[in-house]
Amino acid sequence: GDSVTQMEGPVTLSEEAFLTINCTYTATGYPSLFWYVQYPGEGLQLLLKATKADDKGSNKGFEATYRKETTSFHLEKGSVQVSDSAVYFCALILAHGSSNTGKLIFGQGTTLQVKP
Amino acid sequence: DTGVSQDPRHKITKRGQNVTFRCDPISEHNRLYWYRQTLGQGPEFLTYFQNEAQLEKSRLLSDRFSAERPKGSFSTLEIQRTEQGDSAMYLCASSPPGTGVHEQYFGPGTRLTVT
Repeated sequence: GDSVTQMEGPVTLSEEAFLTINCTYTATGYPSLFWYVQYPGEGLQLLLKATKADDKGSNKGFEATYRKETTSFHLEKGSVQVSDSAVYFCALILAHGSSNTGKLIFGQGTTLQVKP
Repeated sequence: DTGVSQDPRHKITKRGQNVTFRCDPISEHNRLYWYRQTLGQGPEFLTYFQNEAQLEKSRLLSDRFSAERPKGSFSTLEIQRTEQGDSAMYLCASSPPGTGVHEQYFGPGTRLTVT
């Protein structure tokens, strides 16, 4: 079935360090890919998305490139801040169609802790 | 537009009791999703509504769970005879109509604790 696998956390970095959170997926169709973020005590927020191969999603200094050949969508940021401490979820959607209702399929989440 | 709202934010109940949660989606969003998130895990899909029609139910949604969206606006999720394993965060999300893939906007969630 369709699934998303993320690297296990927690990931602990010092401020201004480079961040990579790995995400790979398995999908029966052609998915759109997302990164959601959950800050402490808050709801899920969309961080970035990519809807086709080689697209790069970006937001708030975070980037991820849709790699169809490696079925990956790794999240990167060049210089993390303490305020980036949160749980990050990789997710996919198969487009609406006769058998797809557009539900999100999430990875298990990766906790990022950034220390000053 | 105030976003997706959910009520209550927290619910503590005793095993065997029934509980009902409410979700108000963003106005004019005809698609509504319920997810369940347990500690340390990503959200898992429970059910999907397009307007008032419930078009998909996960096998996670046992017979004790029922969801409605009577007028295609707000939705309710009821759990009957709650069990400790039902303790989780219940998330609601909505998205607009149209073809293609649309962002889902999440509410703050209802945290259920079954004692």
